[in-house]
Amino acid sequence: NAGVTQTPKFQVLKTGQSMTLQCAQDMNHEYMSWYRQDPGMGLRLIHYSVGAGITDQGEVPNGYNVSRSTTEDFPLRLLSAAPSQTSVYFCASSYTSGGTDTQYFGPGTRLTVL
Amino acid sequence: DQQVKQNSPSLSVQEGRISILNCDYTNSMFDYFLWYKKYPAEGPTFLISISSIKDKNEDGRFTVFLNKSAKHLSLHIVPSQPGDSAVYFCAAHPRGSARQLTFGSGTQLTVLP
Repeated sequence: NAGVTQTPKFQVLKTGQSMTLQCAQDMNHEYMSWYRQDPGMGLRLIHYSVGAGITDQGEVPNGYNVSRSTTEDFPLRLLSAAPSQTSVYFCASSYTSGGTDTQYFGPGTRLTVL
Repeated sequence: DQQVKQNSPSLSVQEGRISILNCDYTNSMFDYFLWYKKYPAEGPTFLISISSIKDKNEDGRFTVFLNKSAKHLSLHIVPSQPGDSAVYFCAAHPRGSARQLTFGSGTQLTVLP
């Protein structure tokens, strides 16, 4: 199993450009999510999905769109990049056991917006 | 307002000694607490968790202690090994909201040989 894969690993954008961060998992997990990690702030939830066709907002959703057409893929779209979106982005998938979730994270995408 | 706080950005310990990483929380609705470990250029990986009905959970060299009255948890690593050098994140969620994790800001642990 590849687990959770993310592409690209690194990306530099100019302000106003758009792009899609790709995320795929091969563990057949229903739940997938996107986080961003900023220095001194830990990981913050952007959007999540509880299954194909179902998405919802997390703590910091503004400026991002998501869709979930298959169980495996959960892309994150930046509509018009801003310097405040410079961050490291992690995708995760998870299953529930014993009242809590075990989240499996991808390796991350480091995004710089100039 | 950070609901999960890791007040020590970094910690250095000698190989073979105990590492103690601390985490405080403010939301009394939090019911499960988890620790994740992160190496550079990798995603976080799950380490250990504890439910609020327990005050201790062990897994090999790793033990998590929960003090609900103080809203405090700690991760003990005994004995510490150089391979344990990583950033450790504390996370929490309310009962029934396992997917709504709130993370702390992390503690960089360095284990010196």
